[in-house]
Amino acid sequence: NAGVTQTPKFQVLKTGQSMTLQCAQDMNHEYMSWYRQDPGMGLRLIHYSVGAGITDQGEVPNGYNVSRSTTEDFPLRLLSAAPSQTSVYFCASRPTGGNTDTQYFGPGTRLTVL
Amino acid sequence: EDQVTQSPEALRLQEGESSSLNCSYTVSGLRGLFWYRQDPGKGPEFLFTLYSAGEEKEKERLKATLTKKESFLHITAPKPEDSATYLCAVRSNSGYALNFGKGTSLLVTP
Repeated sequence: NAGVTQTPKFQVLKTGQSMTLQCAQDMNHEYMSWYRQDPGMGLRLIHYSVGAGITDQGEVPNGYNVSRSTTEDFPLRLLSAAPSQTSVYFCASRPTGGNTDTQYFGPGTRLTVL
Repeated sequence: EDQVTQSPEALRLQEGESSSLNCSYTVSGLRGLFWYRQDPGKGPEFLFTLYSAGEEKEKERLKATLTKKESFLHITAPKPEDSATYLCAVRSNSGYALNFGKGTSLLVTP
């Protein structure tokens, strides 16, 4: 298993540009989520999904959109990038049933908005 | 609202000098408390899950314990390769998401 994969690893955008951060997992996990990590702030939840076709907002959803058309993929869209969205973005997944709550993280995407 | 506070923010140890990291939490019904390790430029790596007060888990030089208000990550005879940021997170019975603390940055010098 490749686990949780994220692309790209690095990205530089200009203010107002749009882009999609890709996230995929091959573990058949129902739950997927997006976090951003900023210095001194810890990991903060942006959006999450408990299955295909179901998404919900986390702590800091403004400026971001998500969709979940398949179990494997959970892309994060920035419609009009702002400097405040400069951050490291992590995607994570875990199963929703069974005896485990272990959440697995991807390697991250470092985004800079100029 | 769930709250997670980790202390200290940073810790510097000599190789072999044992110590503990603290994670204090408030949550309405604990579903689980999680410890992760994060190396620079990498995603968090899962270490332990604790579910109830009194529970302990060990992995190599690391031992995690849980009470009703806090968790400790004990590091015994650390080595330089244990240098990393250690993250604590909780999940409540009413939610799907993990709520993270800000982490403890550990540096172990030879």
